[in-house]
Amino acid sequence: ELKVEQNPLFLSMQEGKNYTIYCNYSTTSDRLYWYRQDPGKSLESLFVLLSNGAVKQEGRLMASLDTKARLSTLHITAAVHDLSATYFCAVSTQGGSEKLVFGKGTKLTVNP
Amino acid sequence: ETGVTQTPRHLVMGMTNKKSLKCEQHLGHNAMYWYKQSAKKPLELMFVYNFKEQTENNSVPSRFSPECPNSSHLFLHLHTLQPEDSALYLCASSQDPPSGGWADTQYFGPGTRLTVL
Repeated sequence: ELKVEQNPLFLSMQEGKNYTIYCNYSTTSDRLYWYRQDPGKSLESLFVLLSNGAVKQEGRLMASLDTKARLSTLHITAAVHDLSATYFCAVSTQGGSEKLVFGKGTKLTVNP
Repeated sequence: ETGVTQTPRHLVMGMTNKKSLKCEQHLGHNAMYWYKQSAKKPLELMFVYNFKEQTENNSVPSRFSPECPNSSHLFLHLHTLQPEDSALYLCASSQDPPSGGWADTQYFGPGTRLTVL
């Protein structure tokens, strides 16, 4: 059974600082997603990482995937308040009709 | 309407009530999903429909009954729920390639916040 672990689960940081969220998973997978969820709102797709060594960047967020280590990271550069949200990683278990297994989420709070 | 919509957004029901959640996707996708999100657990996949056929039932109790009349609409019928079923229920859709390869990103609706008294 695929297990996905995120850490930390809660992260409070100051504006302007850098930090990294980690996502570990237990079995082989070639596809990993990062989502953002604002309070009371839906999940928004941020990144799709499709292969070993994949790196995607959007603004102050950068995601990477190491399939050998079964690890993805979401790096936050010079955080701003607008990045406050819960971030989920999700790992795909099979092709075809995909089944995503989600981590518990990391609740990020960026303080002024 | 664009994307994935869900109604109602909030629902309060007693344990003996019968209610239904509705999801509609306007993205032309062929796969739809129901997820449960509760305070203490990560997102749990409940049901998957691919090309209108149910391909996944993740050991969900029979008091939850899905229905997918076409590739754009998905329902979750609720009957004799328990207080522990209170949660945010999310619908999602994606485009599965006919060859069975990797599907594209899943797009989520805003969710229905369900409270069972």
